[in-house]
Amino acid sequence: DTEVTQTPKHLVMGMTNKKSLKCEQHMGHRAMYWYKQKAKKPPELMFVYSYEKLSINESVPSRFSPECPNSSLLNLHLHALQPEDSALYLCASSLDRGLGSPLHFGNGTRLTVT
Amino acid sequence: TQLLEQSPQFLSIQEGENLTVYCNSSSVFSSLQWYRQEPGEGPVLLVTVVTGGEVKKLKRLTFQFGDARKDSSLHITAAQPGDTGLYLCAFLTGNQFYFGTGTSLTVIP
Repeated sequence: DTEVTQTPKHLVMGMTNKKSLKCEQHMGHRAMYWYKQKAKKPPELMFVYSYEKLSINESVPSRFSPECPNSSLLNLHLHALQPEDSALYLCASSLDRGLGSPLHFGNGTRLTVT
Repeated sequence: TQLLEQSPQFLSIQEGENLTVYCNSSSVFSSLQWYRQEPGEGPVLLVTVVTGGEVKKLKRLTFQFGDARKDSSLHITAAQPGDTGLYLCAFLTGNQFYFGTGTSLTVIP
C-alpha cells in the first residue's frame, strides 16, 4: 500500500462540471506535487507546494487550481475541463523540495472528461 | 525540451532474457533516480545514484551512473513477468525532479 492516498481512484466528468481531486500523506513530508500522466508516457509536473506555499506552476491552464490546506493535504480543483485533459493525475510528496529526497507517489486518479 | 532521453521506448521480451535500458542527456546531473511504475499504480523509487561511475545492485537489477554523470543504465538479468512496467529515470535540477521519456517493458511468460 502506498503512503500517499489519492481520492477518488476514478472520475468521469463533463466539460461543465466542477470537481476536486484529493491527496493526503502523513509522513511529515513538506513538499507535495501534482503530476499529469498520459498512457505509457512519463509524468509531467504541474504544481509544487513547499511548506504549504505554491513554489512551481508549470504554465498549467487556469482550469486547474491547486490548494494546500495544510502540510498533509493537497487538492486539485477542476473546472471547465477539455477532453484532452483526460489522464492519470498523480500526487507525490517528498521530505523536502531540495536535497534530492525521493518522490513518494500515490496510485493516482484516472480522470475522463466527456 | 526533453533533457533526458531513454531508449528503447518500448521493449517486449521473453521471460528469462536479459535487457538494458539507457538514460542519456547532454547535461551533467548531481544525482539521478530510477523509478518503476506498474500498471494501475504510481511510480516507485528503485535507486538513487550520485557518484560518477557508481554501480548499484538491487537483486536482478544493476544500475550504473556514467563517469561524467550525464547518463545512466539499468540492466535486468533473467527478466520475469513481475518486471513488467514503465521504467523512468529522473533528474534533479533547480531543486525539482523531471522525468525521462520512459521505457515501457513487457515480459512475456
